Amino acid sequence: DIQMTQSPSSLSASVGDTVTVTCRASQTISRDLNWYQQKPGKAPKVLIFGASTLQSGVPSRFSGSGSGTDFTLTISGLLPEDFATYYCQQSYSTPWTFGHGTKVEI
Amino acid sequence: EVQLEESGGGLVQPGGSLRLSCATSGFTVSSTYMSWVRQAPGKGLEWVSVIYGSGFMYYADSVKGRFTISRDNSENTLYLQMRSLRAEDTAVYYCARGGPEWQPSEYFRDWGQGTLVTVSS
Repeated sequence: DIQMTQSPSSLSASVGDTVTVTCRASQTISRDLNWYQQKPGKAPKVLIFGASTLQSGVPSRFSGSGSGTDFTLTISGLLPEDFATYYCQQSYSTPWTFGHGTKVEI
Repeated sequence: EVQLEESGGGLVQPGGSLRLSCATSGFTVSSTYMSWVRQAPGKGLEWVSVIYGSGFMYYADSVKGRFTISRDNSENTLYLQMRSLRAEDTAVYYCARGGPEWQPSEYFRDWGQGTLVTVSS
């Protein structure tokens, strides 16, 4: 199985900050990497798929990059509604696997 | 408008069975890949199973041989039959719709609100 390692597990930030979350795969996954946002008590929501494609309706302050084993989610100019937990997920091969999540807190 | 609504969760004893349903609207379940993803209380996300439009199915090792994914095209509903349930199966179970057919990247595009399964005596 492909292991996904996210870092950091949590971070503190302020409104307006630029935040970076990283995700590393245990083997190459090409660009088959997706990012999700989850708020407490809610279902996850896809932000980015294919490493860098922004899902329709997602604000452009979210961006993704990377290929192979190393990937990055960047939030440029945090807004209050961005405080949530973020997960990466590989879809290169089943079993599809998620990172353990990064909680972005104030 | 795309909608997914899970049901069928509840309290079940270890070793018991449960069938989850995911009623959908706004698209055809057979036209894309559909998945179940679960989340244990206070924990992260875990993919459980996927069924493709072709009918191919895949499972996480943790549920293989115990869970069965299926769909009813006439009802536009996705199912997850769960047997031999264990305490570690306790989680919120989400159904999720896959991306468009023309999109080579696979991802969970739309999600239901989830249904809680509690396995406990």
